[in-house]
Amino acid sequence: KQEVTQIPAALSVPEGENLVLNCSFTDSAIYNLQWFRQDPGKGLTSLLLIQSSQREQTSGRLNASLDKSSGRSTLYIAASQPGDSATYLCAVWNSGNTPLVFGKGTRLSVIA
Amino acid sequence: ETGVTQSPTHLIKTRGQQVTLRCSSQSGHNTVSWYQQALGQGPQFIFQYYREEENGRGNFPPRFSGLQFPNYSSELNVNALELDDSALYLCASSSGDGTDTQYFGPGTRLTVL
Repeated sequence: KQEVTQIPAALSVPEGENLVLNCSFTDSAIYNLQWFRQDPGKGLTSLLLIQSSQREQTSGRLNASLDKSSGRSTLYIAASQPGDSATYLCAVWNSGNTPLVFGKGTRLSVIA
Repeated sequence: ETGVTQSPTHLIKTRGQQVTLRCSSQSGHNTVSWYQQALGQGPQFIFQYYREEENGRGNFPPRFSGLQFPNYSSELNVNALELDDSALYLCASSSGDGTDTQYFGPGTRLTVL
């Protein structure tokens, strides 16, 4: 059974700092991995999708990497801003149309 | 291209009641998945519908049921509500070809008193 763990559970950083969020999964035979952002009480916004054949994806100040063999992914946020404050969720799925398996998320606070 | 929409936004029910939540999938998507997110937790898969048929189910009791309509919109029904059913219910749609990501709606916040 696939399990996803995110560390740390919460993180508080000063504005402008670069930071890394971690995600690990137990079954390395994943199809894709996706990072989401969730604002309090809101739905999920997709940030980056990494297909199993890829090693990383970049969008603006965000960079996500994937190491399938070790069962790990990282989300790097450069030059953090107060508007980045949210919960970041990592999710994997094991084949084409199977459900996403989520971690519990990392709650990020960026202090001005 | 319209996004995924859900209704209602918020709902308050009492124990033992029944509730129906609704989801309209993104244009061109034939697959809808429902997730339950308790406070402080990641979303948990409830079930998925593909072209009006249930196509997978998570570890939820039978009082959680669903439907998908010919226009691919979907309903989640929960009978005999329990306090632990209080959560954010998320709907996600996808193209069903296995290559696409799932696009999430804003969710319905259900409170059971």
